Amino acid sequence: AQSVTQLGSHVSVSEGALVLLRCNYSSSVPPYLFWYVQYPNQGLQLLLKYTSAATLVKGINGFEAEFKKSETSFHLTKPSAHMSDAAEYFCAVKGFQKLVFGTGTRLLVSP
Amino acid sequence: GAGVSQSPSNKVTEKGKDVELRCDPISGHTALYWYRQSLGQGLEFLIYFQGNSAPDKSGLPSDRFSAERTGGSVSTLTIQRTQQEDSAVYLCASSRDTDTQYFGPGTRLTVL
Repeated sequence: AQSVTQLGSHVSVSEGALVLLRCNYSSSVPPYLFWYVQYPNQGLQLLLKYTSAATLVKGINGFEAEFKKSETSFHLTKPSAHMSDAAEYFCAVKGFQKLVFGTGTRLLVSP
Repeated sequence: GAGVSQSPSNKVTEKGKDVELRCDPISGHTALYWYRQSLGQGLEFLIYFQGNSAPDKSGLPSDRFSAERTGGSVSTLTIQRTQQEDSAVYLCASSRDTDTQYFGPGTRLTVL
């Protein structure tokens, strides 16, 4: 069965600093992987997805993620944090049509 | 174009009452999914509809939960005899292909 693990329930950065949110996956088949962002009282918005094409995936709002099979990782990065990036981020793997989500990482951005 | 819409946005009910939650998928999307987001359990899959195929109900937590999709479009999630542990945000998603799901804003259910 597919699963994902997100390390760190909370990550704090200063505005302008590098953002790194960690996600490791477990999958018996080549995975389809996703990052979603959730702002307060809103649904999930797709940031980016990996579907076995390029290993470096670029998404919206300056985010990108790199698929590393050897490390079973799909970490999300952004070179420079902005206050508007404060939100909860979910990594997910597609398993038999449904998405299996990690527990989420709340990103806090301080001025 | 219009995204996934859900109604109501908030629902407060008393324990033991039945509730219906509605989802309008993106036009042209053949697949529709329900998920539940709660503090204790995170984001959980509930049910999946694809076209005219039998739905995948493997995530429904009990027989008090049911869902239907009429005409391959609108879906209704029904919870009978609600319990306090049913309090959560219920999210609907739809997809055209089989890999990218687009989510609605959710319905926040509070069972008193």
